[in-house]
Amino acid sequence: SQQGEEDPQALSIQEGENATMNCSYKTSINNLQWYRQNSGRGLVHLILIRSNEREKHSGRLRVTLDTSKKSSSLLITASRAADTASYFCATSSNDYKLSFGAGTTVTVRA
Amino acid sequence: IAGITQAPTSQILAAGRRMTLRCTQDMRHNAMYWYRQDLGLGLRLIHYSNTAGTTGKGEVPDGYSVSRANTDDFPLTLASAVPSQTSVYFCASSDSGGETQYFGPGTRLLVL
Repeated sequence: SQQGEEDPQALSIQEGENATMNCSYKTSINNLQWYRQNSGRGLVHLILIRSNEREKHSGRLRVTLDTSKKSSSLLITASRAADTASYFCATSSNDYKLSFGAGTTVTVRA
Repeated sequence: IAGITQAPTSQILAAGRRMTLRCTQDMRHNAMYWYRQDLGLGLRLIHYSNTAGTTGKGEVPDGYSVSRANTDDFPLTLASAVPSQTSVYFCASSDSGGETQYFGPGTRLLVL
């Protein structure tokens, strides 16, 4: 069964605005990862945050992890049209497999 | 080639037919995975392999089989396709289990 759940399911923002999406999960994890999927393409890894980390940055991406609340957030700052995609969180637990959520679809309007 | 390749890109298949989806990686990754992606359900793991010679069942393995004869190749076989297997199939690999996965471009399969 899927462990991660993203919220919201869909998000529409203006170019230049920030986009925030959240992921909640049920069981303890080793790490949590965020992936992007452009329409008709495979998933691309964005960032990995380990269970002992609270925040991580990569370019315009900022990820937080709160293991006490079993939740993570992905912030995309100064969004661009090219950020239009679906974003998925995936959790890795003791079985070392990834469990993906259903994704957040982000549309950036010019 | 660099990364993961999948073949075919898309396929229309009659129900009851046998089909093998191919996946090849050139990153010398130990672990490989097959997922299916259906609208609104995200990705679900079908089968995985932690290293050449070993395979394991994922969340939705029924109707599918895999083999891992070597490091680079991880074919997925549908022995007798059914319409519910209509989906987009993604192959992925990682250096080790639970770490960053690298995805292929996908195979779009329609079973009629």
